[in-house]
Amino acid sequence: DAKTTQPPSMDCAEGRAANLPCNHSTISGNEYVYWYRQIHSQGPQYIIHGLKNNETNEMASLIITEDRKSSTLILPHATLRDTAVYYCIVRVEGNNDMRFGAGTRLTVKP
Amino acid sequence: EPEVTQTPSHQVTQMGQEVILRCVPISNHLYFYWYRQILGQKVEFLVSFYNNEISEKSEIFDDQFSVERPDGSNFTLKIRSTKLEDSAMYFCASSGGRPRIEQYFGPGTRLTVT
Repeated sequence: DAKTTQPPSMDCAEGRAANLPCNHSTISGNEYVYWYRQIHSQGPQYIIHGLKNNETNEMASLIITEDRKSSTLILPHATLRDTAVYYCIVRVEGNNDMRFGAGTRLTVKP
Repeated sequence: EPEVTQTPSHQVTQMGQEVILRCVPISNHLYFYWYRQILGQKVEFLVSFYNNEISEKSEIFDDQFSVERPDGSNFTLKIRSTKLEDSAMYFCASSGGRPRIEQYFGPGTRLTVT
């Protein structure tokens, strides 16, 4: 019952922007797009979330298409420490759970 | 920066034994969660807790599991009679005043059932 589709893996050169895509073509009007990452076996780390407007914080930018069927997480200057599995999650407002998929394994290379 | 803490970091137990995993959520948060991740698999939602009661649980969270907030700071997950398939990383998370906002995860407890 996956609601999002992400590439299983991506590479990025250190210092370059990492652009991680996510498709969520069946997203509903009240569903937010969340991004988390998991470094090795650590607990998932919140990155950013949005409804329909583009969002930016100190970690990343989130670009959501106008039809909301896809989004891109942008790490503007990737470092080796950004190597992790990145999860795109859509979640209904008011729901309690985060439904994690398989995510994208991003490897940042020197 | 406030963070969620979990103890122990690693718990080894024998099949059939009871275990209690402990979490201290971020102090002003109101919503609390447990997730698990079997080695090599996805992070799976177990249960959410608000206002001293379970607000949502997954099909994984059967009668062997229970949660409790015994005081103003701790949040525990109890597994009554552990099975080999309960071996996993267990993550606690908390979020602030509304469930739709971001959840902050702890470092996890690795449970090994032998």
